[in-house]
Amino acid sequence: DIVMTQSPDSLAVSLGERATINCKSSQSVLDTSNKRNYLAWYQQKAGQPPKLLIYWASTRESGVPDRFSGSGSATDFTLAISSLQPEDVAVYYCQQYYTTPPYTFGQGTKLEIK
Amino acid sequence: QVQLVQSGAEVKTPGSSVKVSCKTSGYTFSSYLINWVRQAPGQGLEWMGGIIPFFGAPNYAQKFQGRVTLTTDESTRTVYMDLRNLRSEDTAVYFCARDHLPYDSAVKRGDAFDMWGQGTMVIVSS
Repeated sequence: DIVMTQSPDSLAVSLGERATINCKSSQSVLDTSNKRNYLAWYQQKAGQPPKLLIYWASTRESGVPDRFSGSGSATDFTLAISSLQPEDVAVYYCQQYYTTPPYTFGQGTKLEIK
Repeated sequence: QVQLVQSGAEVKTPGSSVKVSCKTSGYTFSSYLINWVRQAPGQGLEWMGGIIPFFGAPNYAQKFQGRVTLTTDESTRTVYMDLRNLRSEDTAVYFCARDHLPYDSAVKRGDAFDMWGQGTMVIVSS
């Protein structure tokens, strides 16, 4: 199974500042035939299901604010929030869907306001 | 609009089974794979398996092979997750989640999950 490791486990950022979360996969999730990275980012607020933010590593889901961006390739990925808002407090997960079964998720990064 | 509505919370005893439903609406049911993901209290997300309603062919994580069965009912647009021989470690919130794109047999990779059910809490306790 592909192991997804996020860093840090928790993060406190001031309102309006930039937040960055990293995700590393134990093997490449880049399909060289189509140059797509099979990596998604989700946001989960307390008591809610996860919400898809980013897929194919850098494509923002419809309706997701443009302060959220994804980058990276192969084994190293980053989710960035350019200007932290109060509603961004949540746990963020990366997920690989390069191989199935199983899809695997990172352990999560808890984002709080400093 | 697309909706996935799950059945209510369950309390089960060790060794018993639970069947959770996921009723869908707002899209072509047969065309999208539905996944099941669980989350133990205070823990992360764990993919259990998925099923394509058009084919009825499930795919399970090895960890759950032999204990989980996914089925579909096209007449009610509902997907079911049946988990047997429950143990305390199965206490979790169970989510159904739809693949982002319609199923394409030519695509050999997976997909992100764009729509989620609200979750069903299953408590296993003696």
